[in-house]
Amino acid sequence: GAVVSQHPSWVICKSGTSVKIECRSLDFQATTMFWYRQFPKQSLMLMATSNEGSKATYEQGVEKDKFLINHASLTLSTLTVTSAHPEDSSFYICSSSGAGEEQYFGPGTRLTVT
Amino acid sequence: GQSLEQPSEVTAVEGAIVQINCTYQTSGFYGLSWYQQHDGGAPTFLSYNALDGLEETGRFSSFLSRSDSYGYLLLQELQMKDSASYFCAVTRNTGGFKTIFGAGTRLFVKA
Repeated sequence: GAVVSQHPSWVICKSGTSVKIECRSLDFQATTMFWYRQFPKQSLMLMATSNEGSKATYEQGVEKDKFLINHASLTLSTLTVTSAHPEDSSFYICSSSGAGEEQYFGPGTRLTVT
Repeated sequence: GQSLEQPSEVTAVEGAIVQINCTYQTSGFYGLSWYQQHDGGAPTFLSYNALDGLEETGRFSSFLSRSDSYGYLLLQELQMKDSASYFCAVTRNTGGFKTIFGAGTRLFVKA
């Protein structure tokens, strides 16, 4: 299957700072990528669909100004958590998809905001 | 909106067979998939059903009935390493593909 990488794998930041997470599709061109967040022992919640060369589509209840998504190339999507607060601490996972079947997940980024 | 229901927890013994059910409600249904996630790790793909019937991949099989909005994951010859969370996920196509996950079923395999 396809390989998706994320960087960093974990990050600790202070409240009020911004954090950028990168998601790379290593062996195929991904016109669409997805960002999920997952709290401990809970399910994956879809945050937004990242579209190459256009604006991301956010799910209801997700603040677009807080979670900035940029998909500038066919292999890279970035998620920036702006003015992070402790409640933003979570596991953030990206995925890329072919024709709507299997999704290839990155290894995830664990964000801790102190 | 959409919803998926699956049991929160299942316990079974090594060597046994376990079935994890999933019922869903959604518009624009495209397919049902299953993912496995170990603690601290990312989800890994197990199977996908777009059409009614059974798909078999080694020890794992998945079934879909579109008319019943129901599917299940069958795990055979359970091993200790199968202890993990299992998520059913619905892929919708409503002007673009989107995959929504169920709450997950935590499987405990005992010796």
